[in-house]
Amino acid sequence: DTAVSQTPKYLVTQMGNDKSIKCEQNLGHDTMYWYKQDSKKFLKIMFSYNNKELIINETVPNRFSPKSPDKAHLNLHINSLELGDSAVYFCASSQGGGSYTFGSGTRLTVV
Amino acid sequence: AQSVTQPDIHITVSEGASLELRCNYSYGATPYLFWYVQSPGQGLQLLLKYFSGDTLVQGIKGFEAEFKRSQSSFNLRKPSVHWSDAAEYFCAVGAGSYDKVIFGPGTSLSVIP
Repeated sequence: DTAVSQTPKYLVTQMGNDKSIKCEQNLGHDTMYWYKQDSKKFLKIMFSYNNKELIINETVPNRFSPKSPDKAHLNLHINSLELGDSAVYFCASSQGGGSYTFGSGTRLTVV
Repeated sequence: AQSVTQPDIHITVSEGASLELRCNYSYGATPYLFWYVQSPGQGLQLLLKYFSGDTLVQGIKGFEAEFKRSQSSFNLRKPSVHWSDAAEYFCAVGAGSYDKVIFGPGTSLSVIP
């Protein structure tokens, strides 16, 4: 039973399209995150939700909008996709203390 | 603001050899420190963490790390590397009230049979 699951695993789309990535965790954790990993493997935090409340919102274009319908789910919607959005997006969850459980990632390719 | 540096972009070791991956952090107070590993095509997995107490921390897969406050370092070690240890290794520092973890740039480990 996967602890943090993301869908889809791969996403190829054209510039200008809108797409969503879904994340679900079954660990009962209160906090969920979105990280972006670029082509050089650099990981940058984008958003964090604690029990459905947005608590971290880094400098991310407002084309990116997270939504947390409940504390087990955190989705990421991206409007007007650009070439520079191509990356691997990781969802993670935590029960505090910085020990994260990561999903396996969504590789987004914008063409 | 906190930050993490990993001086080695890529390291190659022979199977059975010892390993040390370097990590330096910048943070004003006592940090939370972590090492994560990312196998190809996978998410990150927590190897070990340091919050307080004993400065030598044991983790999974035979890894250990030592916190040295005077050097602002948290180096990862393994006495004998296995081919399956080939992966990307990330050092990370956590601080603040919202469990925000900042990752270093990563060190890619290759293992020669």
